[in-house]
Order: sequence, then C-alpha cells, then structure tokens
Amino acid sequence: GAVVSQHPSWVICKSGTSVKIECRSLDFQATTMFWYRQFPKQSLMLMATSNEGSKATYEQGVEKDKFLINHASLTLSTLTVTSAHPEDSSFYICSARDRLSVKMVFGPGTRLTVT
Amino acid sequence: GEDVEQSLFLSVREGDSSVINCTYTDSSSTYLYWYKQEPGAGLQLLTYIFSNMDMKQDQRLTVLLNKKDKHLSLRIADTQTGDSAIYFCAESISNTGKLIFGQGTTLQVKP
Repeated sequence: GAVVSQHPSWVICKSGTSVKIECRSLDFQATTMFWYRQFPKQSLMLMATSNEGSKATYEQGVEKDKFLINHASLTLSTLTVTSAHPEDSSFYICSARDRLSVKMVFGPGTRLTVT
Repeated sequence: GEDVEQSLFLSVREGDSSVINCTYTDSSSTYLYWYKQEPGAGLQLLTYIFSNMDMKQDQRLTVLLNKKDKHLSLRIADTQTGDSAIYFCAESISNTGKLIFGQGTTLQVKP
C-alpha cells in the first residue's frame, strides 16, 4: 500500500537556527502534498499545500517566509522552518494522495523541539 | 467556513461497542475519513466513505453517514484495549485534497 515517510522523526534545535523536514512518498507519485502542524493534545491544522513544480499555497495566518516549502519532485516535499523559535515546537505531519486513489496517507510525523 | 466537531472523550469497557460521532459543515465534501492516532505517532487511516454512501462496513468498523444532517459516526465492535487512541474524523474539501480535521475523540478502553 501507499507509504509516506518523514525525516527526521524528531529534531532538537537552538532558537534562531533553521530546520529542514523531508516528506517522501515511497511507492507512488504525488503532485500534491500537504503539511500539517499539531500542538500537544490538539487537532491537526493545515499549514500549506505543496505543489510539485510550483509555489506552495499557504493557509491563512501561516507565514510563507518562515515555513519554506519546496516540492522539487513527484516524491519529495520539504518544509524548512527558518529562524526557529520555541513557539514553533510542534509535531509536523505531511500527507500525500496517490493520484489513482482517494486515500490520503499521512507520514509518521516529525517532532520539532526548539530550545 | 469549514468546521468539523467531535466529542472529546469516550470511555467504554473491553468487549463493548464504541460509537464516535462527528459533525461537519461543508456540504460539498466528497469523502469523509476516520483516522487513528496513538501517542507520539502519526495518523493511521482506518476507513473512509464517499459522500453518496450512507454506510460502510469493514470488519469491526462501521461508518454511518447522514448527509442531510452532516453527521458521521464510527462504530467499533468488540472494542479492545488496543483500540485506545485518539480518533479523528476529517472531511475533504471539494477537489482540493485538503482535509479539515475534528478535534479528535480520545477513546479509553477499560479492561
């Protein structure tokens, strides 16, 4: 079945540094991937839609210059949290849908802690 | 705007049935999903239903959809302790692929 991986699974970084998170579709191609953020004991909030070969579409209130998204291939999207601050600490989850399926598959998530 | 609501907590005894309810607002939703999240883990797709269906059964899981009332439910038969997790319902937004999630229902299964 369709599998989405994320790397790293967890990362700790210092305030002011940047962190890149990768999202890969392992056995299918995805022209569109999605990035979500989940705070502890809360639901998932959609941050942006990552489009292969074009600019990402950001949800209202999400800073595009802070959360840089690149979707350079049909199997890889990256989210870079720039100049990270402690309030950016969260669980970041990506998802993708096989073009031939209606199933939206989620990655295992990346836990970011900014100290 | 789109909104999905769920009750926050449900406690059942092992062997009983669990019913988790969800309401949504976007009448143009094409698919509705149920996901399971265990502590510290990502989301596991449990099942989904197309908006023109009213029921779908998959082993212990039964999904009921009342499109008129925009109400979705997930029934877990013979609930086991391994079913303890947070369950999210989500609606897809037209053909965008975006999912709007409910707050999640924490299911506690007592032995």
